Amino acid sequence: GAGVSQSPRYKVAKRGQDVALRCDPISGHVSLFWYQQALGQGPEFLTYFQNEAQLDKSGLPSDRFFAERPEGSVSTLKIQRTQQEDSAVYLCASSYHRDRTYEQYFGPGTRLTVT
Amino acid sequence: SQQGEEDPQALSIQEGENATMNCSYKTSINNLQWYRQNSGRGLVHLILIRSNEREKHSGRLRVTLDTSKKSSSLLITASRAADTASYFCAPHGSSNTGKLIFGQGTTLQVKP
Repeated sequence: GAGVSQSPRYKVAKRGQDVALRCDPISGHVSLFWYQQALGQGPEFLTYFQNEAQLDKSGLPSDRFFAERPEGSVSTLKIQRTQQEDSAVYLCASSYHRDRTYEQYFGPGTRLTVT
Repeated sequence: SQQGEEDPQALSIQEGENATMNCSYKTSINNLQWYRQNSGRGLVHLILIRSNEREKHSGRLRVTLDTSKKSSSLLITASRAADTASYFCAPHGSSNTGKLIFGQGTTLQVKP
C-alpha cells in the first residue's frame, strides 16, 4: 500500500523567504508527527497531531514554525522568514496508534536548504 | 528525558559477521523501538520490544532489553552490505505523547 509521502523532496529558499512543506500520511492513521534532522544527527521531534488536534508542539524551535492538519489527514509545516539554521531534512511520520505501540512510519523527507 | 544513547557511534565489519549495537536510557519505559535509516529507504521501523519482554527476534535481528540496567542491544546476524545504515533506538515512556526521541545513532558499515 501507499506509504507516507512528502513534497517537495527538495527545497532551496533564500533567507527570509517563507516555505511550506506537505505531508500525506498513511490513510487511516490518526497520529502525525514532524521531525527535523540536521546533518549527522538523529531526528528531533517538532510537533504532534492526533487527527486535527495539535497535542504537542513543544519541539517547534521558534514562532516562525507553524504546523496544521485542518481535516485530520494532510499536514503542512510552514516556516516563515527562513534562516540558515533552518537547513535540515524535515521528516513526517504517521502512526495508527493502536495498542499504544507508537510504531511510526516515516516519509522520505524534505531537504530544505536556506541560502 | 527519554532519549536513548547508542553505542558505538560507528561500527565497521565484514559481510557475514555479526553486528551488535547498544542503547542506554535514563527513565522508565513502556517500550523501546529500533529504527534504521539509509539513503535508499529513509527511516524504517525495525522492531519494538515492550518493557515486560526480555528478548525479541525478527529475521536476522535480535533485540534484548534489560530494564534493570536501562539498556537494550540490537544484534544483526550474518550481516549484508545492504545492512549499511544508521541505527537509532527510541525508548518510549508513558509520559510521551507518542513522540520519539532519537539519539545520534550508530553508523554501521558492512564491507562486501
